[in-house]
Amino acid sequence: EVQLVESGGDLVQPGRSLRLSCAGSGFTFKDYVFHWVRQAPGKGLEWVSAISGNSGSIDYADSVRGRFTISRDNAKNSLYLHMNSLRPDDTALYYCVKGTTRHWSLLENWGQGTLVTVSS
Amino acid sequence: EIVMTQSPATLSVSPGERATLSCWASQSVSSNLAWYQQKPGQAPRLLIYEASTRVTGIPARFSGSGSGTGFTLTISSLQSEDFAVYYCQQYNHWPTFGRGTKVEIK
Repeated sequence: EVQLVESGGDLVQPGRSLRLSCAGSGFTFKDYVFHWVRQAPGKGLEWVSAISGNSGSIDYADSVRGRFTISRDNAKNSLYLHMNSLRPDDTALYYCVKGTTRHWSLLENWGQGTLVTVSS
Repeated sequence: EIVMTQSPATLSVSPGERATLSCWASQSVSSNLAWYQQKPGQAPRLLIYEASTRVTGIPARFSGSGSGTGFTLTISSLQSEDFAVYYCQQYNHWPTFGRGTKVEIK
């Protein structure tokens, strides 16, 4: 069974940094593209970033480009999101999401999310 | 960026009735269109991909259609567990989502 478990969400002040983690199990981690997708309270879904299996292809939404960094450690079956210069509008539930081998951006499996709150 | 537009924002339907949700893309995404269901307090769940292919285990009352820029999700006879928010998403490039359609009990 595919499992994705996020961690690292917290209450942080504007301008501070935070690192999210996602642990995957039940599949061959290195074979898949992973995404971070966020959902602000009461709002819709927003794609944040994606990373290919060998980390050779990475991209970001314009709203986080230059502030967030996605990375992965295939030996540890783990995905990360380093978030710098956090702003109140980054407040959201952050989901770790696995793509498919055929279509990188088809979001097949979702974690339960980790909550990031940016407030003074 | 491909912009996805969904309508209506809210759909009020009685149990047992049919629900039709629409989704448009700002440019062609071929059939690279997925539908997700999200219930309160839960992560989204993939229902349909390639515009019309149901994920294993999704009931046959859910059907998708369309290609290019116009897509439809139909729920033929709404059950109590179907009241939720539905998002369309294109995966022709990096993902973009519609704003969602909330299907509520009439």
